[in-house]
Amino acid sequence: GQQLNQSPQSMFIQEGEDVSMNCTSSSIFNTWLWYKQEPGEGPVLLIALYKAGELTSNGRLTAQFGITRKDSFLNISASIPSDVGIYFCAGPQGGKLIFGQGTELSVKP
Amino acid sequence: DGGITQSPKYLFRKEGQNVTLSCEQNLNHDAMYWYRQDPGQGLRLIYYSQIVNDFQKGDIAEGYSVSREKKESFPLTVTSAQKNPTAFYLCASNRGGPSTEPQHFGDGTRLSIL
Repeated sequence: GQQLNQSPQSMFIQEGEDVSMNCTSSSIFNTWLWYKQEPGEGPVLLIALYKAGELTSNGRLTAQFGITRKDSFLNISASIPSDVGIYFCAGPQGGKLIFGQGTELSVKP
Repeated sequence: DGGITQSPKYLFRKEGQNVTLSCEQNLNHDAMYWYRQDPGQGLRLIYYSQIVNDFQKGDIAEGYSVSREKKESFPLTVTSAQKNPTAFYLCASNRGGPSTEPQHFGDGTRLSIL
C-alpha cells in the first residue's frame, strides 16, 4: 500500500537547537497533517496543511506543504525538553489516512 | 470536556481468549477509526465506520471485529484468531466527510499476552 517516508527516524539534540524533519511520498497528497505522540498517549494534531506551498506556524513549530505536493516539512525552533516524542506525518489516500513511520525526538537538557 | 475515551489503559489476554477494547467519544463525530501501533512503525488501520450500523475493513482487519450500534461508541474485539495481538491500540474520530478532515485520537489501550 501507499507509504509515507519520514526522515530521520530518530534525532538526539541539545536543548535550544532547531529541528528539521520531513515526509515524502511517491504520490501526490492534497492535505498534510503533522501529529505529535508522547509516551503512552495518543497522537495530538499539531498542524494541518491544505495548499501546496503553504507555510503554517503553531508557536515554535512551522510546517510547509511542498510545492510538488509529494512532501512536507516540520521545523521546531529552540527545542525544549517537552518537545520529546514521536512526530508523525499523515495524509489522506483512498478515503483513509496514511501515516509515516514517525521521527522520534530526544532533547537533552 | 469533549474528547475520546479509551478503556482500559492496559489489557492482558490469555491464549484463545477474545478481548474487547472500548472507545467512546462525546465530540458528536460521525466517523470513528481503530489503529494498531507497533514499535518503530506508523499507525495501521484496522477498521473504520463512517456512520452508525456501518463499518469497513482497513488494512489489517483479520483477527479483529467491531460494531457501531451507537454514534458515540465503537468497540474493537481482538479475537483468538489474531495470533500476534500485542500492540498499542488507538481509537480516533472525526466529523467524517472528506478524508482531509483531521482525526482526533484517544490515549490508547496497550494489549499484552499472558
